[in-house]
Amino acid sequence: AQKVTQAQTEISVVEKEDVTLDCVYETRDTTYYLFWYKQPPSGELVFLIRRNSFDEQNEISGRYSWNFQKSTSSFNFTITASQVVDSAVYFCALGGATNKLIFGTGTLLAVQP
Amino acid sequence: EAGVVQSPRYKIIEKKQPVAFWCNPISGHNTLYWYRQNLGQGPELLIRYENEEAVDDSQLPKDRFSAERLKGVDSTLKIQPAELGDSAVYLCASSTNPQKLFFGSGTQLSVL
Repeated sequence: AQKVTQAQTEISVVEKEDVTLDCVYETRDTTYYLFWYKQPPSGELVFLIRRNSFDEQNEISGRYSWNFQKSTSSFNFTITASQVVDSAVYFCALGGATNKLIFGTGTLLAVQP
Repeated sequence: EAGVVQSPRYKIIEKKQPVAFWCNPISGHNTLYWYRQNLGQGPELLIRYENEEAVDDSQLPKDRFSAERLKGVDSTLKIQPAELGDSAVYLCASSTNPQKLFFGSGTQLSVL
């Protein structure tokens, strides 16, 4: 069975702090994809990143970085120097052979000024 | 380029009433998805279309839910009759690449 676990329900940080959102996944597929989406209060899910199971290189995009480790089935997301605009619910998701995305329960990030 | 458009944004109905949601995907996107997001949870797939064909509706409660995508563009999702437990946000998404979905802002349904 496929499953995504985001153990952190809520995180509160002060602006300019770094914050890491954890994601652990389970799958039997040998080829799969991992995603992060941001859901601001407006409700729309905004695509942030997709990684495939064969590419374990870490990725950095501006203040965002992602650490993919197959050995621990984790795909963690770090925001460096957080800003108030980063406040949102962040979802990790898993896609596989069925072309269906399995989402975690989300982590609510509150960045205080 | 316009994103995925959904309407209405909010809907409040009494239980046992019918309700319908509409979705206009991004132009050229052949794949369309309907997801349901319960409060405090991640979205869960209800149905996926490839053009006008429903290729995965295993999670759709077929006794009360129905969906259609005539002409392979716009789609409607209907609930009849609605129950209290149907209160949720209904999200539509579209894609050309099955691994990159673009979501609409959703319809927030409240069943009283």
